[in-house]
Amino acid sequence: DGGITQSPKYLFRKEGQNVTLSCEQNLNHDAMYWYRQDPGQGLRLIYYSQIVNDFQKGDIAEGYSVSREKKESFPLTVTSAQKNPTAFYLCASSINRGTAGLRALFFGSGTQLSVL
Amino acid sequence: AQTVTQSQPEMSVQEAETVTLSCTYDTSESDYYLFWYKQPPSRQMILVIRQEAYKQQNATENRFSVNFQKAAKSFSLKISDSQLGDAAMYFCAYRSSGQNFVFGPGTRLSVLP
Repeated sequence: DGGITQSPKYLFRKEGQNVTLSCEQNLNHDAMYWYRQDPGQGLRLIYYSQIVNDFQKGDIAEGYSVSREKKESFPLTVTSAQKNPTAFYLCASSINRGTAGLRALFFGSGTQLSVL
Repeated sequence: AQTVTQSQPEMSVQEAETVTLSCTYDTSESDYYLFWYKQPPSRQMILVIRQEAYKQQNATENRFSVNFQKAAKSFSLKISDSQLGDAAMYFCAYRSSGQNFVFGPGTRLSVLP
């Protein structure tokens, strides 16, 4: 089945540690996104990538880094510079052409990151 | 910059009744797309319904339908015959060509048995 896979489902970070959240899609989508969601809040854009080897900062990129070496993969690293990383992280993808049904965002099941 | 407003932080509906969730947006674009997403307690974001701005006909998906008023920049979601499984956070989202998605703050819907 086509979809977006995020792993792990739960992740714990120690002080001063970098951690990487995985996101893989087999939908052949061009664009991929990372969002952060705090409890009871909406979605905030961290980074996005429209094509391979290119990505842009979203609204809250500080303390995060990404790479897009393959179309299918868009890992997110939460660095030690992110002082309040506890949140739910959602990866999503979309294509950038066609009708609304095609341009919709499709989401993975998310990763809950907590600080030890 | 585009903004999306959902003026109802919380709503409740009796099982089998109908409820309407409000969404307004601000844009100067003429070509764009609108979406409603559902986030149940599992926190999986699920696409509920989508609408192209150039289409005058309102989108429907089974018990879900929208009332799209382009001039008023309004995009409300109607849920008919509400079921317990409809309880969730609902997010309205906007996307114009070549731009990123803009999400509203969400409306928490409770369904009362």
